Amino acid sequence: QVQLQQWGAGLLKPSETLSLTCAVYGVSFSSYYWSWVRQSPGKGLECIGEINHTGGTNYNPSLRSRVTMSVDTSKSQISLRLSSVTAADTAVYYCTDSYYYNSGRWERAFDLWGQGTVVTVSS
Amino acid sequence: DVVMTQSPLSLPVTLGQPASISCRSSQSLVYSDGNTYLNWFQQRPGQSPRRLVYKVSKRDSGVPERFSGSGSGTDFTLKISRVEAEDVGIYYCMQATHWPPTFGGGTKVEIK
Repeated sequence: QVQLQQWGAGLLKPSETLSLTCAVYGVSFSSYYWSWVRQSPGKGLECIGEINHTGGTNYNPSLRSRVTMSVDTSKSQISLRLSSVTAADTAVYYCTDSYYYNSGRWERAFDLWGQGTVVTVSS
Repeated sequence: DVVMTQSPLSLPVTLGQPASISCRSSQSLVYSDGNTYLNWFQQRPGQSPRRLVYKVSKRDSGVPERFSGSGSGTDFTLKISRVEAEDVGIYYCMQATHWPPTFGGGTKVEIK
């Protein structure tokens, strides 16, 4: 059974660092790129970035200076760190697949989603 | 970034009647590999987005046949042939051709 299970701190103060982890079950981890997407009432759905199993990353330019993604292939896990958070970073954060390897080529996905983690930034 | 514009914002529909959602992109979504990476998602309250359609018109496994996607270039449409009560939710289009992937603002489908 395919499952993306995510966890992390849900309440942060301004200037702290957001830290989330997503564990992937039921698929070949290295056959996908993995992404973080957030959803807020103000900005809607926003792609934060993506990472492959070798640690190669693409970040949204709007967040690049504050984002770090990492991967642990031994545990089939990806992680997100977002530094210097403000109230504008309050959102539900999702992990999802952004590419999958199919019939000899990489294709865009966004088919598998975690359950979401509510992150609130408040003093 | 590619701007995805959806209309209408809200779509009240009578059960059993058809529904149509429009999505326009600010740039062509045809990728260099020939594919057009335009997805449609359904999001029910309290749930994660669920992909219904990928590459414009390919329906995901388990998605009812009443959902269909069409379009090309910069203009795309999601149609529900006969709306059922379980179709209530917010629908989003999303382009994954250009980096970063971007989403439309959503269309709320509700029952009249």
